[in-house]
Amino acid sequence: NAGVTQTPKFQVLKTGQSMTLQCAQDMNHEYMSWYRQDPGMGLRLIHYSVGAGITDQGEVPNGYNVSRSTTEDFPLRLLSAAPSQTSVYFCASSYSHQGSYEQYFGPGTRLTVT
Amino acid sequence: AQSVTQLGSHVSVSEGALVLLRCNYSSSVPPYLFWYVQYPNQGLQLLLKYTSAATLVKGINGFEAEFKKSETSFHLTKPSAHMSDAAEYFCAVTESTNAGKSTFGDGTTLTVKP
Repeated sequence: NAGVTQTPKFQVLKTGQSMTLQCAQDMNHEYMSWYRQDPGMGLRLIHYSVGAGITDQGEVPNGYNVSRSTTEDFPLRLLSAAPSQTSVYFCASSYSHQGSYEQYFGPGTRLTVT
Repeated sequence: AQSVTQLGSHVSVSEGALVLLRCNYSSSVPPYLFWYVQYPNQGLQLLLKYTSAATLVKGINGFEAEFKKSETSFHLTKPSAHMSDAAEYFCAVTESTNAGKSTFGDGTTLTVKP
């Protein structure tokens, strides 16, 4: 199993550009989530999904869109990049069978917006 | 609503000394609690978890944590620090009704001195 994979690893955008961060998991987990990590602020939830076709907002959703057409994929779209979106982005998957619930994280995407 | 507070953004111990990282939480439903570790430029990996079974949970690399409902705490300990324990540690709470929605503390950076 590859686990959770994210592409790209690094990205530099100019203000106003759009892009999609890719996330895929091969563990058949029903839940997937996107977090951003900023220094001293831990991880903050952007959007999450409880299954294919179902998404919901997290703590900091503004400026981001998601969709989940398959169990495996959960892309994050930046509509019009802003310097405040400079961050490290982590995708995670999880499942609730037998009270598991822990998050399985991808390696992250480091995004810089100039 | 749920929240996590990690007391102390930086903790420094000598090699061989006790490690104690503090975490307090609040949750409106029975919580599932987690400690994750992050090494530089990597994603997060699970150290240990509490999911309503035993209140003292053991994790990888000799770490353990005790769930104390009366104190709303889930402190992480290790009897003897090793140089390889130097990393950032995150406490997280997940709603028992939604495995995709975790709230993380701001993190504690552990430094181990030789």
